[in-house]
Amino acid sequence: DTAVSQTPKYLVTQMGNDKSIKCEQNLGHDTMYWYKQDSKKFLKIMFSYNNKELIINETVPNRFSPKSPDKAHLNLHINSLELGDSAVYFCASSRSGGAHGETQYFGPGTRLLVL
Amino acid sequence: GDSVTQMEGPVTLSEEAFLTINCTYTATGYPSLFWYVQYPGEGLQLLLKATKADDKGSNKGFEATYRKETTSFHLEKGSVQVSDSAVYFCALPRNSGNTPLVFGKGTRLSVIA
Repeated sequence: DTAVSQTPKYLVTQMGNDKSIKCEQNLGHDTMYWYKQDSKKFLKIMFSYNNKELIINETVPNRFSPKSPDKAHLNLHINSLELGDSAVYFCASSRSGGAHGETQYFGPGTRLLVL
Repeated sequence: GDSVTQMEGPVTLSEEAFLTINCTYTATGYPSLFWYVQYPGEGLQLLLKATKADDKGSNKGFEATYRKETTSFHLEKGSVQVSDSAVYFCALPRNSGNTPLVFGKGTRLSVIA
């Protein structure tokens, strides 16, 4: 019954590796997001998609490539991982992405540690 | 641009104490305002929201009132419990299409028995 799910929950990897994080929502929402939470708990938007189309790319390095195969899924692939990529990555979704008062629903997060 | 300023923690309270976490915002127009909570090791959950001036959002004993005069949305609870220990985030939608949230820096609350 999980509304927004992410896999894996934990990811430990070496610098230079390539990894992917998957996100799925079963709420029937049109819009999905990736946020990054740094070690100080600061949350910042990375990408948003609406109906599989990229809407916002918040000056994220092009080592990060989101992919939305359908509107229920938004995956995040990261190439050539760097130490500074260590963070918690949250997927979120909302019904339409623009309606006033619209709630965003968050996944449990993926804790990425780059060694 | 749109922004949120939130009191920095950590905040440590005894059980049954009164809680206030301050939040002020800068935005064009009158955005919806949100409080999200992050319990240890978990994702963010919506705690409450308000969509227009003077609205009061409430949930689980927490309340916040949308004050456009002071551009504030302070979170309050009359009697905190140990289970309220978490990080609290004030947020608003950025003023653009397919609007992501802009978050405050979060306030860590620890409640001790």
